[in-house]
Amino acid sequence: KAGVTQTPRYLIKTRGQQVTLSCSPISGHRSVSWYQQTPGQGLQFLFEYFSETQRNKGNFPGRFSGRQFSNSRSEMNVSTLELGDSALYLCASSLLGIHDSGTEAFFGQGTRLTVV
Amino acid sequence: AQTVTQSQPEMSVQEAETVTLSCTYDTSESDYYLFWYKQPPSRQMILVIRQEAYKQQNATENRFSVNFQKAAKSFSLKISDSQLGDAAMYFCAYRSALEYGNKLVFGAGTILRVKS
Repeated sequence: KAGVTQTPRYLIKTRGQQVTLSCSPISGHRSVSWYQQTPGQGLQFLFEYFSETQRNKGNFPGRFSGRQFSNSRSEMNVSTLELGDSALYLCASSLLGIHDSGTEAFFGQGTRLTVV
Repeated sequence: AQTVTQSQPEMSVQEAETVTLSCTYDTSESDYYLFWYKQPPSRQMILVIRQEAYKQQNATENRFSVNFQKAAKSFSLKISDSQLGDAAMYFCAYRSALEYGNKLVFGAGTILRVKS
């Protein structure tokens, strides 16, 4: 069974540009969450999607957005990139249904974004 | 809001010895899940062990066990018979059982070094 796949693995962008990151969850998983990991702030929750709907959102500016497609694949977009957006972006998928809160989250290997 | 604190930025252990990583958390909720994740240099987060707050029995997974003290809001990880492959960053994480979804709140992490 294939794991969570994130593309691309590495990305270099210029300040002011926008970027789109992709996450393909494990087959059958309907929940996709995104996290930002930086040395200074650690791991922070960005948002979660379930069945194409955003279910939870962290405390990030509106420049960070996401979406989920009918096949559960998810994309996150960052517009008007700032130097501080340089980070490892991790995606996690899980089976989580409406009444199931205890399911494990499986993580991808992340996308390393560098903003110059 | 919930917070997770890992007070040990770095720990070292001799191969075959036992090491304990500390984690405390703050929450007003009575029902939640706690996790320990391992992040090796490959960057992929791997679930090590999980604990449901309503269970008094401490979780164990082979060489990994936890000491869950709900009243003290403490959740430490014990690694027995440490192996070179255990070297990684370890994150303690909290998830509410009262909210739908898979929003994880992470601690800052502890780097574990294993000496041969």
